[in-house]
Amino acid sequence: ILNVEQSPQSLHVQEGDSTNFTCSFPSSNFYALHWYRWETAKSPEALFVMTLNGDEKKKGRISATLNTKEGYSYLYIKGSQPEDSATYLCAPSGSARQLTFGSGTQLTVLP
Amino acid sequence: NAGVMQNPRHLVRRRGQEARLRCSPMKGHSHVYWYRQLPEEGLKFMVYLQKENIIDESGMPKERFSAEFPKEGPSILRIQQVVRGDSAAYFCASSSDRAGGVYEQYFGPGTRLTVT
Repeated sequence: ILNVEQSPQSLHVQEGDSTNFTCSFPSSNFYALHWYRWETAKSPEALFVMTLNGDEKKKGRISATLNTKEGYSYLYIKGSQPEDSATYLCAPSGSARQLTFGSGTQLTVLP
Repeated sequence: NAGVMQNPRHLVRRRGQEARLRCSPMKGHSHVYWYRQLPEEGLKFMVYLQKENIIDESGMPKERFSAEFPKEGPSILRIQQVVRGDSAAYFCASSSDRAGGVYEQYFGPGTRLTVT
């Protein structure tokens, strides 16, 4: 899978704001969509894996949706906190197991 | 339950030397993946291995790079005759083998290779 695009590239929000990012990918040869959270100097942390069109996953204040027909996924953060500051990566995978990462959305939550 | 372990965390090599990067997958995981992050770039897939087998090496440079995942011990990514362009962060991930299931890949902390 090529041409994974994430937008915006970077984002600054105030503490308490809700925000969302977009991941776009080719809908052909799609198998799964992974979201990761990556803090500086740490390992990428798996957030969600989604496979079905219309899938919606939630973990605390973070949720994600998936549209495989049009090739996009949204990640939402409700009531952002400074500890949410990180780079959020999406990675679709085809039938092969390799992940193709987007360049990420760098979120900064200002106190 | 320990996560994915990588060592060393930082490695400095002079041009022409060999670099060996090690990855121990999470307990119970039999699939290992190596990714590379070049400066100012995103994570790029290099190779996917199961125990004693290379499954997909489509992202691996054709020369100087090799990977193995022996029956016993960690997975090794080996770079021979390193050049400055090999300076990067190398991440290892592992996953379990659930037939027909969706497999999350869990990442290690990475090895930062600097070639001087």
